[in-house]
Amino acid sequence: GENVEQHPSTLSVQEGDSAVIKCTYSDSASNYFPWYKQELGKGPQLIIDIRSNVGEKKDQRIAVTLNKTAKHFSLHITETQPEDSAVYFCAASDSGSARQLTFGSGTQLTVLP
Amino acid sequence: ETGVTQTPRHLVMGMTNKKSLKCEQHLGHNAMYWYKQSAKKPLELMFVYNFKEQTENNSVPSRFSPECPNSSHLFLHLHTLQPEDSALYLCASIPFKGTGAQNTEAFFGQGTRLTVV
Repeated sequence: GENVEQHPSTLSVQEGDSAVIKCTYSDSASNYFPWYKQELGKGPQLIIDIRSNVGEKKDQRIAVTLNKTAKHFSLHITETQPEDSAVYFCAASDSGSARQLTFGSGTQLTVLP
Repeated sequence: ETGVTQTPRHLVMGMTNKKSLKCEQHLGHNAMYWYKQSAKKPLELMFVYNFKEQTENNSVPSRFSPECPNSSHLFLHLHTLQPEDSALYLCASIPFKGTGAQNTEAFFGQGTRLTVV
């Protein structure tokens, strides 16, 4: 089955700096890679996703890159703000959708004012 | 608000108790899931229901028993749990519309924080 490794487990950055979280996956059949943000006391919420036929996707301050050859994908957050502080999860699926997602172990991001 | 509501938010139960977790969504989704979230670990998929039919049980112990009476409600019945079952239990729903891009977002509830004493 699929295995998703996520690093780092904790990340602290100064407000305004960039943050990068990396994930690797094991199943070359995986074709859908979402990122979820979980704020304290809430369930995870989708913030961005990418499919295997795309190398990069951007949405304002958030971007995701995918390297299929190396089987890794990364989340980039620029101009970080205190409200970006949360736990971020990467995930992978071979169904092309949110069905049957395998999640990483999460990254606690803290943005220091 | 994601449109997925879980109750209760917090639950403390003894190992001999029987309790139930409830999940409700009125988003028109047809697929509902139970996940277990333990500290520092990936979310673990427990059960999958598509159109009220259980389609996956990821080797979950029988002390966890799911029930999906209709496409809007999902329950997780708990009995004789162990302390290691203490975790955040998350429900998610997905707008199942066949295959492909329409199903790309899982909507999660806020979870039930379960403590087994």
